[in-house]
Amino acid sequence: DQQVKQNSPSLSVQEGRISILNCDYTNSMFDYFLWYKKYPAEGPTFLISISSIKDKNEDGRFTVFLNKSAKHLSLHIVPSQPGDSAVYFCAASPNYGGSQGNLIFGKGTKLSVKP
Amino acid sequence: DAGVIQSPRHEVTEMGQEVTLRCKPISGHNSLFWYRQTMMRGLELLIYFNNNVPIDDSGMPEDRFSAKMPNASFSTLKIQPSEPRDSAVYFCASSPNANTGELFFGEGSRLTVL
Repeated sequence: DQQVKQNSPSLSVQEGRISILNCDYTNSMFDYFLWYKKYPAEGPTFLISISSIKDKNEDGRFTVFLNKSAKHLSLHIVPSQPGDSAVYFCAASPNYGGSQGNLIFGKGTKLSVKP
Repeated sequence: DAGVIQSPRHEVTEMGQEVTLRCKPISGHNSLFWYRQTMMRGLELLIYFNNNVPIDDSGMPEDRFSAKMPNASFSTLKIQPSEPRDSAVYFCASSPNANTGELFFGEGSRLTVL
């Protein structure tokens, strides 16, 4: 029973356009959400996060939106660049301010940005 | 500045053999995590340590799996005996901050059990 779902295994976008990666969760106790990026043969790297007290967090070309009522978050990358091609994992935790050991990850979305 | 270091990067072994995966966390980080990545289940937390003490091992699949952290700079994940279904990429991650989920992952150890 997946608590964090990334329903699109892959996404292809043209360079310069917007990439939108989606994530849904089922546990209303989740309080803190993160996005990680993973290149082949490397470990995931932290990208951006958002706590449930916000509905938007922006860092350069990356913006995460949180809709708590819909239990949905999305990562927007604009403009997309070929170097953004990677697998993106959504993760959630019920314990912002507490132990982070219970991060629940989605299965990832593979983004391909075509020149 | 060295990140999380894992060894071996690749391991191919036969069913029934013992496998030991090693991890050196980033110096100063007080939390260490072992994750497993498979196509079917994605990234799953196996166990994590805080200040070298195991906090939650509920993700460890079965008794064949064990993890230790004898000191702040070293951890092992052992599988004995190994089975083909253990084939996966095993990631170690560390974190300096107990209040966020910002984990620093190693490059992973790809295990193939024949």
